[in-house]
Order: sequence, then structure tokens, then C-alpha cells
Amino acid sequence: SQTIHQWPATLVQPVGSPLSLECTVEGTSNPNLYWYRQAAGRGLQLLFYSVGIGQISSEVPQNLSASRPQDRQFILSSKKLLLSDSGFYLCAWSLHEQFFGPGTRLTVL
Amino acid sequence: DQQVKQNSPSLSVQEGRISILNCDYTNSMFDYFLWYKKYPAEGPTFLISISSIKDKNEDGRFTVFLNKSAKHLSLHIVPSQPGDSAVYFCAASEMTPGSTSGSRLTFGEGTQLTVNP
Repeated sequence: SQTIHQWPATLVQPVGSPLSLECTVEGTSNPNLYWYRQAAGRGLQLLFYSVGIGQISSEVPQNLSASRPQDRQFILSSKKLLLSDSGFYLCAWSLHEQFFGPGTRLTVL
Repeated sequence: DQQVKQNSPSLSVQEGRISILNCDYTNSMFDYFLWYKKYPAEGPTFLISISSIKDKNEDGRFTVFLNKSAKHLSLHIVPSQPGDSAVYFCAASEMTPGSTSGSRLTFGEGTQLTVNP
């Protein structure tokens, strides 16, 4: 069966610090991978998606970047965090339906 | 441009009654629609989906209806249970460019359902 992992589960970082969130998928090959952010009281906003290794599409201009160094690994990064980067970050994989990881709660102070 | 809209931020129903969650979309290229359920501090869980070639799909207590001419879909939960209390997201998909499988989803803002005992 397929499983999706995210870490860390929670993170508190100062403004201006770097960020690296990791997502890995097990039990499937060549999945589409996605990064979403849910701001407080808001819906899910698609940040990036990837259809293969090294292939990244950005949905909205922002302070974040994504990379896919391996087939089942998806990384969300920032060089310098902003206060507005705070939120709940979700990774997902899909064949058709999307299946979500447990999420990372990021608080930027 | 909000292509998927859930106009009701919250809905409250009594246990045992029907819950009806609504969703509207604007992009006629969407070909697949999904409902997700989300508890606080957890990832969304897939509930039920419907293809654009159908108008109804049923799975236990959950039924999704699609009205393509109105660009509207709804999720019916009957009977509603207190454990159904969560945020429900409607999502629509179109094929991800360059991919032979998998779809890019556009989510609505979510509706908080509260089922009272």
C-alpha cells in the first residue's frame, strides 16, 4: 500500500531563516507530487506540482521553491522566511485522486 | 479568480438528518470532481469523486451529485453523524500538462460541517 510522509510535523522559525520541508512517498512509482498551503481559516492553495524528477511547476509567485531530486521525494524550501509564510503545509501524491500527507505546521516569528 | 467556490463557510445539522454541502465551479475544462474531509491539524482525506460523464455517485452514506449545465455539485451525507463534523473541501481536476496520469486539483475554500448530537 502507498504511504506518504512529511517532516517535521511542526516547526517554529524566525523571520529571515531558511526552510526545508521534506515529503516522501512509498509504494508507488512516478507519482505526481504536490505542495499545498492552508493559511488560517482559508482553503487549500496549490503552490507547486511535479510530474517527474526535476520537473517543477509553480502556481503562484512567492518566496518559496520546490525540488524533486528523486522520484518519490519532494522538497519545499525557502532561503529567507517571511511572516506571511506561516501556515499548514501539505504534500500530496496522485494517480487520479490525490492523497495527502499529515502536514507540517510552520510558524514564522 | 476563484474557479471553485463553496459559498457556505459553515453548516450545522442535527444527528440523523441530511447534510448537503454545495460547490460551484467556473472552468468548463474540469473533468473530475472530488470531495475531501479534513480534521484540524491533519491532511485531507479523500471521500468520494465523480467523473464528468456521470451525474451521481454513491458510496454508503455519501452521495455526490453533478449538474454540468449549472456547473454545480453537491455532497449529501445521510444520516449525518457527530463524527462527520469536519471541514469539507470540494475539488475539481483537469489533466496535468505533460502527465499521462494524475490530475492537478483546484480546491474550494471549504465548509465547516457541525453535526449536533
